[in-house]
Amino acid sequence: EAQVTQNPRYLITVTGKKLTVTCSQNMNHEYMSWYRQDPGLGLRQIYYSMNVEVTDKGDVPEGYKVSRKEKRNFPLILESPSPNQTSLYFCASSFTGFTTEAFFGQGTRLTVV
Amino acid sequence: GEDVEQSLFLSVREGDSSVINCTYTDSSSTYLYWYKQEPGAGLQLLTYIFSNMDMKQDQRLTVLLNKKDKHLSLRIADTQTGDSAIYFCAEGGEGGGNKLTFGTGTQLKVEL
Repeated sequence: EAQVTQNPRYLITVTGKKLTVTCSQNMNHEYMSWYRQDPGLGLRQIYYSMNVEVTDKGDVPEGYKVSRKEKRNFPLILESPSPNQTSLYFCASSFTGFTTEAFFGQGTRLTVV
Repeated sequence: GEDVEQSLFLSVREGDSSVINCTYTDSSSTYLYWYKQEPGAGLQLLTYIFSNMDMKQDQRLTVLLNKKDKHLSLRIADTQTGDSAIYFCAEGGEGGGNKLTFGTGTQLKVEL
């Protein structure tokens, strides 16, 4: 089954404690992206990757890091989480950019206290 | 930069038609999308339309695009309770760069 898998689904953490949200896709997609969803703001892009070892900033990259060492995985790293990073995070993948259907993960609800 | 706007809420009776509207600013976007988000779930692509089309129909869904006014709408015929969800309009593609720009989402509530 074609899917994008994020882990964990829910996470509560404390300010400053490094965390990683994993994202994996099994469709051999080149393009992967991270979004955060906040009430009244829709989804905003954090980072994207067009292929292995190719990443670039989206609209709201501050406080986040990513890596793309393998095609299937695109982890999101918060080196020092802060309460304003409390949000619902989505990973997405597609064949090439957004000219084709984007598949989304189930989301990770992160709370930073 | 790009901006996509939607109204936040829409309430309809079961069996009626729903029309969800969206306006966007980036005239160079190649594709315009409608995504559905059910509670606790990710986003599911409902349909998309190329920027050189005016209309696209897919079963109960009809998408209308007015490029001149930069207005996109999604009509759901015979709305059912299972259609209750948040609907996101998004633009993207070659002109829009390497991302989808989403609207704020419209919460559709279907009442019996």
